[in-house]
Amino acid sequence: GEDVEQSLFLSVREGDSSVINCTYTDSSSTYLYWYKQEPGAGLQLLTYIFSNMDMKQDQRLTVLLNKKDKHLSLRIADTQTGDSAIYFCAESVYNTDKLIFGTGTRLQVFP
Amino acid sequence: DTAVSQTPKYLVTQMGNDKSIKCEQNLGHDTMYWYKQDSKKFLKIMFSYNNKELIINETVPNRFSPKSPDKAHLNLHINSLELGDSAVYFCASSQETSYNEQFFGPGTRLTVL
Repeated sequence: GEDVEQSLFLSVREGDSSVINCTYTDSSSTYLYWYKQEPGAGLQLLTYIFSNMDMKQDQRLTVLLNKKDKHLSLRIADTQTGDSAIYFCAESVYNTDKLIFGTGTRLQVFP
Repeated sequence: DTAVSQTPKYLVTQMGNDKSIKCEQNLGHDTMYWYKQDSKKFLKIMFSYNNKELIINETVPNRFSPKSPDKAHLNLHINSLELGDSAVYFCASSQETSYNEQFFGPGTRLTVL
């Protein structure tokens, strides 16, 4: 089946780290992604990771991939109020352009 | 210089009507998509086109018909609108790269009364 699960909400204080978790089901996914959706806008790619990697760092963002457990996480260091948004993980379907998106995690950052 | 644009941004209509949503991308991408996002923010792909050819056609009622007059445009026509069609519809595009980044439009909020 094609199910990508995330927790619905996360609330953090400004300056703390945020960790958003995702579990996926398709072990043949070549790439896994994190997209960000700000209010009233479309999704924007934040970062992605190739399936043969277990970690990727990009400035304040760290992606961890555990292929055995089919678990993906996104850590945002020094979270800012501008990071408040909905974060979607997504898996690629092997040999297609199709993406399966997770249920989305609403991150709220308070001062 | 908007990359992926959609019109209209908001669409309010009565049940049973027929409506269209337009999408244009100026990125030179070959592939375009339509997604539906429901009230719980769940996002699901409906269709994709590559160079005017239908590639992905998910289980979508045939009241929904995509049309791609050229590779920069992918329009979505919906016949006999139902209450359950109320959602935000996103267009996206991508170029064939190793990681296939998709660029999303701002969305069209459709409300069926």
